[in-house]
Amino acid sequence: SYVLTQPPSVSVAPGQTARITCGGNNIGSKSVHWYQQKPGQAPVLVVYDDSDRPSGIPERFSGSNSGNTATLTISRVEAGDEADYYCQVWDSSSDPYVVFGGGTKLTVL
Amino acid sequence: QVQLVQSGSELKKPGASVKVSCKASGYTFTSYAMNWVRQAPGQGLEWMGWINTNTGNPTYAQGFTGRFVFSLDTSVSTAYLQISSLKAEDTAVYYCARPSSGMVPANFDYWGQGTLVTVSS
Repeated sequence: SYVLTQPPSVSVAPGQTARITCGGNNIGSKSVHWYQQKPGQAPVLVVYDDSDRPSGIPERFSGSNSGNTATLTISRVEAGDEADYYCQVWDSSSDPYVVFGGGTKLTVL
Repeated sequence: QVQLVQSGSELKKPGASVKVSCKASGYTFTSYAMNWVRQAPGQGLEWMGWINTNTGNPTYAQGFTGRFVFSLDTSVSTAYLQISSLKAEDTAVYYCARPSSGMVPANFDYWGQGTLVTVSS
């Protein structure tokens, strides 16, 4: 099965830029989606298809994907961005079809 | 507006069964698949599989065959997850999630609030 690797934690000061990576074999050939999950809440889709944002998601959230690494970038980080972030891909040729990364805890210092 | 409302928390003994419901509203239920995602305490998200709400055909991810059953009642726009022969390691929050693009589980734009299933003697 396909494996997505994320760093367990990322720390950033308010107002700075946070970058959360998601590694996978030739991940650049797949569409990557990102979710934000705050404690006790369901995940929320923040970026889909590598770099698109659902309505209501601030422009501060952006994504990129190339080679073996996808990246979620959060600009001008706010205290309210502190959460777990998960990358996800879909590949109908693998089992399971849907794979999540292990998650990254973003701490706002 | 689209909503997925799940049933409440459950406390079950090992060996028992549980059935979690996910009631959809705000869209045509049979136009979108329903997926199930597990999150064990302090752990990440794990995709369990999905059910085609048009045909009722379920697809289970590896590790979720045998004791896990997805079903539907389209008359009330509700999807169900049943787990039998519960084990302590089934203790988790279970989410239903709707894909953004019909029957393809590419990504999930709406999620239920989650149902905590606790298995303990």
